[in-house]
Amino acid sequence: EVQLVESGGGLVQPGGSLRLSCAASGFTFSTYDMHWVRQATGKGLEWVSGIGSGGDTYYLGSVKGRFTISRENAKNSLFLQMNSLRVGDTAVYFCARGDSPTGFDPWGQGTLVTVSS
Amino acid sequence: QSVLTQPPSASGTPGQRVTISCSGSSSNIGSKFVFWYQQLPGTAPKVLMYNNNQRPSGVPDRFSGSKSGTSASLAISGLRSEDEADYYCAAWDDSLSGWMFGGGTKLTVL
Repeated sequence: EVQLVESGGGLVQPGGSLRLSCAASGFTFSTYDMHWVRQATGKGLEWVSGIGSGGDTYYLGSVKGRFTISRENAKNSLFLQMNSLRVGDTAVYFCARGDSPTGFDPWGQGTLVTVSS
Repeated sequence: QSVLTQPPSASGTPGQRVTISCSGSSSNIGSKFVFWYQQLPGTAPKVLMYNNNQRPSGVPDRFSGSKSGTSASLAISGLRSEDEADYYCAAWDDSLSGWMFGGGTKLTVL
């Protein structure tokens, strides 16, 4: 069974840092693109970042220079290093596999990041 | 404000047909595939439609997708209470070099 499990969320002060992890299982992780998508409480989905199977990276404009996506294929793991966090970054962060042709499929259950003083 | 525009809400009675629209531009919907995601209350999203009008296995044929120019639509026929959810369209945007989601449409089954 394909499974994605996020961890690393929590409460952090504005300007602080947090590192999210996503543990993948049930598929050949190294051959897939992977993504982070976030959702503020009561709001819609917002794509944050993606990393290709070859390591190319893509970012939402508002997180460029603050967030870094990375992957460790040997450990079937995806990461999101978040620095200079802002109140507006508060959201549930989902990890999703980039499947061709079906899109973001599947998704993890999400991890909550709260940026507040 | 989202790059892809959806109505915030839609509703219908059981058995009815409802349509949800998604409007974009030439840099996204106009030149790229459209995807639709369903998010049931309290759960993670799941893919409902890919490549404009293709259903993943397990998605009932009551769901259908279409695209014309810079707009796309998701239609749900034979509406059922379990279809009550948030629906999001998505497409890659060449100008922004990123994935864009619509603002989401909350479907209520009356």
